[in-house]
Amino acid sequence: DIVMTQTPLSLSVTPGQPASISCKSSQSLLHSDGKTYLYWFLQKPGQSPQLLMYEVSNRFSGVPDRFSGSGSGTDFTLKISRVEAEDVGVYYCMQSLQFRTFGQGTKVEIK
Amino acid sequence: EVQLLESGGGLVQPGESLRLSCAASGFTFSSYAMSWVRQAPGRGLEWVSTISSSGGDTYYADSVKGRFTISRDNSKSTLYLHMNGLRAEDTAVYHCAKDEPVVTATPWDYWGQGTLVTVSS
Repeated sequence: DIVMTQTPLSLSVTPGQPASISCKSSQSLLHSDGKTYLYWFLQKPGQSPQLLMYEVSNRFSGVPDRFSGSGSGTDFTLKISRVEAEDVGVYYCMQSLQFRTFGQGTKVEIK
Repeated sequence: EVQLLESGGGLVQPGESLRLSCAASGFTFSSYAMSWVRQAPGRGLEWVSTISSSGGDTYYADSVKGRFTISRDNSKSTLYLHMNGLRAEDTAVYHCAKDEPVVTATPWDYWGQGTLVTVSS
């Protein structure tokens, strides 16, 4: 089974400052079709998860461009260039190369 | 507007069964694989099961294999999760979600609000 490991597990950020979350997979998420099946979700308090990024770096419709995804193989990063109050919640990475597996989640709060 | 509406949750005793439903609208249901993802109280997201767009292929997490069965009725745009032999550790909010599309489209772009399953004596 593919294991997804996120770091850090919590993050306290001053508004306007950048933030970065790492996600590492136990094996490469690159498929033979050339796609890398790595997603990022944000679960805001009291809400269902919402898609932020798909296939590593494709920003979902309506997601602010302060969010960006990068990485390849087994190492991935979600970056927020300037954190805003509405960005609080728990961020999850997920792989869908082999079944589906979520990372443990990273709780982001505002200082 | 895409909608995924789960139902069927509730309080059951250990060993009992429950069937969850997810009514889909606003998109071509038969063109997407669908998944169930659960979240135990205060915990993270856990993938439970996935079914292909046609229903011909199903996949399960080890934690539910042999006890849960995923199915779909494309004529009714409805996804199901039949849960047998429920355990306390199955207590969670169960979400359905759009998974991989058959054709080029964004996967995992919509999730339902979830239905709460509580297993307790």
